Amino acid sequence: DTAVSQTPKYLVTQMGNDKSIKCEQNLGHDTMYWYKQDSKKFLKIMFSYNNKELIINETVPNRFSPKSPDKAHLNLHINSLELGDSAVYFCASSQGTGQDQPQHFGDGTRLSIL
Amino acid sequence: GENVEQHPSTLSVQEGDSAVIKCTYSDSASNYFPWYKQELGKGPQLIIDIRSNVGEKKDQRIAVTLNKTAKHFSLHITETQPEDSAVYFCAASQWGSQGNLIFGKGTKLSVKP
Repeated sequence: DTAVSQTPKYLVTQMGNDKSIKCEQNLGHDTMYWYKQDSKKFLKIMFSYNNKELIINETVPNRFSPKSPDKAHLNLHINSLELGDSAVYFCASSQGTGQDQPQHFGDGTRLSIL
Repeated sequence: GENVEQHPSTLSVQEGDSAVIKCTYSDSASNYFPWYKQELGKGPQLIIDIRSNVGEKKDQRIAVTLNKTAKHFSLHITETQPEDSAVYFCAASQWGSQGNLIFGKGTKLSVKP
C-alpha cells in the first residue's frame, strides 16, 4: 500500500494554464507538506499544513495555493503557469504538529511547461 | 532562517569501502536532522534521523553523528554496496515551523563494483 500518493506522475501543459496536483496519505498523519525540486535537485519547502495552521514559504508566488478537503489530502493548485514552474513537486506527511517527526514523501509529480 | 550546507556534491567509492557525507547548519535552535536517499524517479526516502539530545545513532551499515557545538552532522555508510548508489540529502528541521525541512543540496554517491 502506498503511504503518500500523488497524481498525476507527469504533467505537461502550456504556459498560462491552471493545473492541480493531488496528494493523499493513508498514514493517519496530521501535517502535510509540499516541496519543489528544481533541475539541480535542490529541494525547497513550499507549504506546511495541518488542521490548525498553514505556513507558507515567503518565496512562493501567490499563484500557488494548497487546498485541503480533509486531513488525508493536500492538493496543490497553480494558476497562470510559467516556464520557471517546471520542476518535480513532492508531497510529504508527518505525525502531530510535525516538529521533529519523520516525513514520508510521495514519488513526485514532474511538471513540464511548454 | 536556517541554512544547510552539504559536502561533497559527488562521491565515488569502491564496493566495500566506507562513505562519509558531511553537513553543517546555521540555526542553533534546530533540533531534528534526517537523512534521505533518493533514487532515480523516486521520492526521498528517510534512511536515518537524529535529534539534538543524541550524539550518535546507528542502524546496521548506516550511522549518523551530530556535533551541536560545531553545528555539524555526518552520515557514515560502511561496507558500501552498488545498491547504495543514489543521491543523499541531509536536512534540518526549521525551528518554529511545523517541521519544515531545510535540505542540503545533495550528494550523488556512486559505488563501483
